[in-house]
Amino acid sequence: SQQGEEDPQALSIQEGENATMNCSYKTSINNLQWYRQNSGRGLVHLILIRSNEREKHSGRLRVTLDTSKKSSSLLITASRAADTASYFCATHPRGSNYKLTFGKGTLLTVNP
Amino acid sequence: DGGITQSPKYLFRKEGQNVTLSCEQNLNHDAMYWYRQDPGQGLRLIYYSQIVNDFQKGDIAEGYSVSREKKESFPLTVTSAQKNPTAFYLCASSIGQGPAFFGQGTRLTVV
Repeated sequence: SQQGEEDPQALSIQEGENATMNCSYKTSINNLQWYRQNSGRGLVHLILIRSNEREKHSGRLRVTLDTSKKSSSLLITASRAADTASYFCATHPRGSNYKLTFGKGTLLTVNP
Repeated sequence: DGGITQSPKYLFRKEGQNVTLSCEQNLNHDAMYWYRQDPGQGLRLIYYSQIVNDFQKGDIAEGYSVSREKKESFPLTVTSAQKNPTAFYLCASSIGQGPAFFGQGTRLTVV
């Protein structure tokens, strides 16, 4: 079964706007990661947030983690057409060693 | 160049045949993973391996087999028991629970 569920499934915005994607998961985790996938390609790691962290920034990306609600959000600020891709959250469930499970993703379209 | 390489990029299989997908990494990563992705869907975990000569079933292991005889290599065999093998297969590797690095994928089609 998939651990994470992203919301919304699809998001369409204009260049310059901010994009927010959410991820909910089912069990306790050691860390949560966000990845990006361009169509037909492999995934690229964006950011990792540990279970004892609440917020993390990397360039135009901001990730928050609320372990009490078992949820995370990814904010992309000042979006660009090149940000068009699918975004996935992934978790290492606590106690499962190296098992890494993904959600179904959010398809982000940034219109020029 | 360090990285993770999947081959071939496209693969065609006749019904009833076994086929093996290759995954090689020169990143010195201990963990390796195989995922299946269907159109418009997320990634589903098939198998993963933490160390050489050890691997665990993921969520959809039926009809697949793997081996981990070398740290660098984690081949996936899609057997004839897999009833719906047409999909995009992704291999990844990581150091422990750190960021995973992905190959470019193999698109398998049953003809």
